[in-house]
Amino acid sequence: GAVVSQHPSWVICKSGTSVKIECRSLDFQATTMFWYRQFPKQSLMLMATSNEGSKATYEQGVEKDKFLINHASLTLSTLTVTSAHPEDSSFYICSARKREGTYEQYFGPGTRLTVT
Amino acid sequence: GDSVTQMEGPVTLSEEAFLTINCTYTATGYPSLFWYVQYPGEGLQLLLKATKADDKGSNKGFEATYRKETTSFHLEKGSVQVSDSAVYFCALSVLKTSYDKVIFGPGTSLSVIP
Repeated sequence: GAVVSQHPSWVICKSGTSVKIECRSLDFQATTMFWYRQFPKQSLMLMATSNEGSKATYEQGVEKDKFLINHASLTLSTLTVTSAHPEDSSFYICSARKREGTYEQYFGPGTRLTVT
Repeated sequence: GDSVTQMEGPVTLSEEAFLTINCTYTATGYPSLFWYVQYPGEGLQLLLKATKADDKGSNKGFEATYRKETTSFHLEKGSVQVSDSAVYFCALSVLKTSYDKVIFGPGTSLSVIP
């Protein structure tokens, strides 16, 4: 199989605080992980691509200082939303790719972030 | 740029009805095409895929054929069930030397009523 988990599945935080979301590939090594954001009843928008051991590549319009991504190992990537504001409330989904040269990404179940 | 267009939803069908969700794409190079399904409150699950022209992806009674001449990848199912109620996303991926990402369509919400 190819299972990707996310933790937490949902989180509520106060405005101005930071929150970390973890994405883990449970039964495979992921050379590349992707972070998406999904607004209610909308499609997924790619935020950034992270490769193990190197800096993440952010999509245009995504603030890299606000959305910190760390891909410290072949099974773990983290997304930290710094100084969160209500407009950051969203559904964040990660995906992982097994190795270079393959198209398929395996998606995590998502994390719902609510900033109050 | 690369893009995916899907038919507008929501789509409401009676159980056992025939389903078609249209999907067309624009891409440079030779994309792989996917259909993903998202059940309420959950992440995405890969439903089926096709990696080259004329390939047919199929899974759980769903089918889609990669039509290069019409740049389409329409999703079909002969007899839908209530459990098929979900949002369906058509997507493409173009693998390049230093760039790879999946581009999603806007999604089509399907409701199947008994």
